[in-house]
Amino acid sequence: AQSVTQLDSQVPVFEEAPVELRCNYSSSVSVYLFWYVQYPNQGLQLLLKYLSGSTLVKGINGFEAEFNKSQTSFHLRKPSVHISDTAEYFCAVRAAGNKLTFGGGTRVLVKP
Amino acid sequence: DGGITQSPKYLFRKEGQNVTLSCEQNLNHDAMYWYRQDPGQGLRLIYYSQIVNDFQKGDIAEGYSVSREKKESFPLTVTSAQKNPTAFYLCASSTGGTGGNEQYFGPGTRLTVT
Repeated sequence: AQSVTQLDSQVPVFEEAPVELRCNYSSSVSVYLFWYVQYPNQGLQLLLKYLSGSTLVKGINGFEAEFNKSQTSFHLRKPSVHISDTAEYFCAVRAAGNKLTFGGGTRVLVKP
Repeated sequence: DGGITQSPKYLFRKEGQNVTLSCEQNLNHDAMYWYRQDPGQGLRLIYYSQIVNDFQKGDIAEGYSVSREKKESFPLTVTSAQKNPTAFYLCASSTGGTGGNEQYFGPGTRLTVT
């Protein structure tokens, strides 16, 4: 069975400061990893995904994530946040042949 | 524009009534999914379908039913047997049900049952 843990339920951050959202997963086999963003009362939008290859993945809106197999982590980072980055962020994992499993989400509140 | 539409955006029902949520996609995707979202619990899979006329239960299928008669459509019925139906419901689709295919999400339907 696979599972995803997002270690922070809420992350307050000042505008133009960096942010890191932590995601750890458990799986006995190789996985595909995803980060989605959800703005209030909207659906989810894909930020980035890791399938294979380079462990540093760049996504939309200046976000990037690093896959660390030994730590079973896939942390999301942005060097300088904007007010518009206020949203909920979801990490998700899929092992081959399995369904997509989501973490509980991290709410990012960007303060001016 | 290609995408997923869900209607209505807000839905109100009385307890004991069945209600059907609509999900339509024009992305030519084979796989479709229904998720339920509650505060602090992420997304939980209700049902999914990898091909027309076939669907499987997800993690929380009790009290829900679906049909997949057309590739473009995957309606979800919330029955009176669902004990706590008030939630935000999200529909998604993808080119395949496994592997690294990303899922595309609709805007969601917020259901309130009183």
